[in-house]
Amino acid sequence: DIQMTQSPSSLSASVGDRVTITCRASQDISNYLAWYQQKPGKVPELLIYAASVLQSGVPYRFSGGGSGTHFTLTISSLQPEDFASYYCQNYNSVPRTFGQGTKLEIK
Amino acid sequence: QVQLQQWGAGLLKPSETLSLTCDVHGGSFSGYYWNWVRQPPGKGLEWIAEISHTGSTNYNPSLKSRIIISIDTSLNQFSLKLGSVTAADTAVYFCARSETYSHALDVWGQGTEVTVSS
Repeated sequence: DIQMTQSPSSLSASVGDRVTITCRASQDISNYLAWYQQKPGKVPELLIYAASVLQSGVPYRFSGGGSGTHFTLTISSLQPEDFASYYCQNYNSVPRTFGQGTKLEIK
Repeated sequence: QVQLQQWGAGLLKPSETLSLTCDVHGGSFSGYYWNWVRQPPGKGLEWIAEISHTGSTNYNPSLKSRIIISIDTSLNQFSLKLGSVTAADTAVYFCARSETYSHALDVWGQGTEVTVSS
C-alpha cells in the first residue's frame, strides 16, 4: 500500500494568513492526488484533483501543487469558513489511501 | 445534479453483517466508479472499495475478505456488505462517486453512523 503522510497534523492560524499543508506519498503517484476539506460533523468535500486542478465552485484562494511524492495545498488568505480538517488522497493505485489529516484551527 | 442518499442499519452486534445501500438520484451510472469510505469516531478517512457501472470492483486489501460490494443499475443504487463486524468497524460510512478516469471523490452521500456494540 502507498502511505500518505501529511504535515503538520494540526495548525493554528489567523484569518488572512497564508497556510500550506504538505502531503508526501511513499511511492511515486504522478499527479493522482486529491485534497478534501471536512468540517466537524459534515461530509468531506473535494477541493482539488489531479494535484492542482480546482474543483468547480471552490474558491481561488485554494491551490494545489506537486507531483511524484511531494504535494502541497495552499490557502492564500484564510477565511473564517476555512477552519476545518484537510485530507489528501492517493488515487494512483488501490487501496486509494488517505493522509491522516490536518486540522486547521483558529489562533 | 447528482445526489447520493444512503441508508442502512446503524446498530449492530459483533459478528453481524453491516449492510448499507446508496441511492443515486439525478445522474448516470455510466462513466463513474461508486465508492464506500468510512471514518471511525475522531479519526481520519479510510477508503473501503469501489465498483464501476459494469460491476468491476476494487477493494481495500485490509477489508477484502469481509466485503461484498454490488451495483443495481436498474434501481440506481449500489450496496456494501461487511461481514463479521467488530467494535473496530464502528464508524461513519459514506458512499461517494468518482469518475472513471479520475478516482477523486466528487459527490458524497450524507453518511451513516454505524455502531457495533454488544
